[in-house]
Amino acid sequence: EVQLLESGGGLVQPGGSLRLSCAASGFTFSSYAMSWVRQAPGKGLEWVSTISGGGTSYADSVKGRFTISRDDSTNTMYLQMNSLRAEDTALFYCARTSKFDYWGQGTLVTVSS
Amino acid sequence: DVVMTQSPLSLPVTLGQPASISCRSSQSLLHSDGNTYLNWFQQRPGQSPRRLIYKVSNRDSGVPDRFSGSGSGTDFTLKISRVEAEDVGVYYCMQGTHWPRTFGQGTKVEIK
Repeated sequence: EVQLLESGGGLVQPGGSLRLSCAASGFTFSSYAMSWVRQAPGKGLEWVSTISGGGTSYADSVKGRFTISRDDSTNTMYLQMNSLRAEDTALFYCARTSKFDYWGQGTLVTVSS
Repeated sequence: DVVMTQSPLSLPVTLGQPASISCRSSQSLLHSDGNTYLNWFQQRPGQSPRRLIYKVSNRDSGVPDRFSGSGSGTDFTLKISRVEAEDVGVYYCMQGTHWPRTFGQGTKVEIK
């Protein structure tokens, strides 16, 4: 059974940093692209970033501030978030592939002073 | 960026009746590999999104056959043949052909 478990969310001040993790199990992690998708409170879904064998991609809204990475030896994906803004407040989901066939439960990031 | 436009944004339905959601893209979603990467997602209240349909009309494993997808190019539809109480939630279309990946605004399905 595919499982994705996010962690690392929390309350951070504007301009601060946070690192999210996504622990994967139930499939051959190294064979799949992985993505982050976020959802601001009461809003819709927004793709954030994808990492695959071909490299990385970012939404313009996070480019230069967020860095996606992965460790295939521990089946874990990361999202390093720097220079956080109030508008980054959201539930961050990890999802398998860039077609999002499986999703985690999400981790909440709140950017506020 | 490809803009995905859903209609309606709110859909009150009677239990047992059909429902239909439209999704239009600002560019063709036909990929150079011959596939059309249009997906539909369901997000029940308080839950994570769940993919229902991929590549326009393919149901994911475990998705009831009352859900069906159709369309081509820039015009797509999700249909629920007979709405059940568990279908309440928000439905999103999403294109996986172009970068960045983009979602529709979401359609809230509720029971009348």
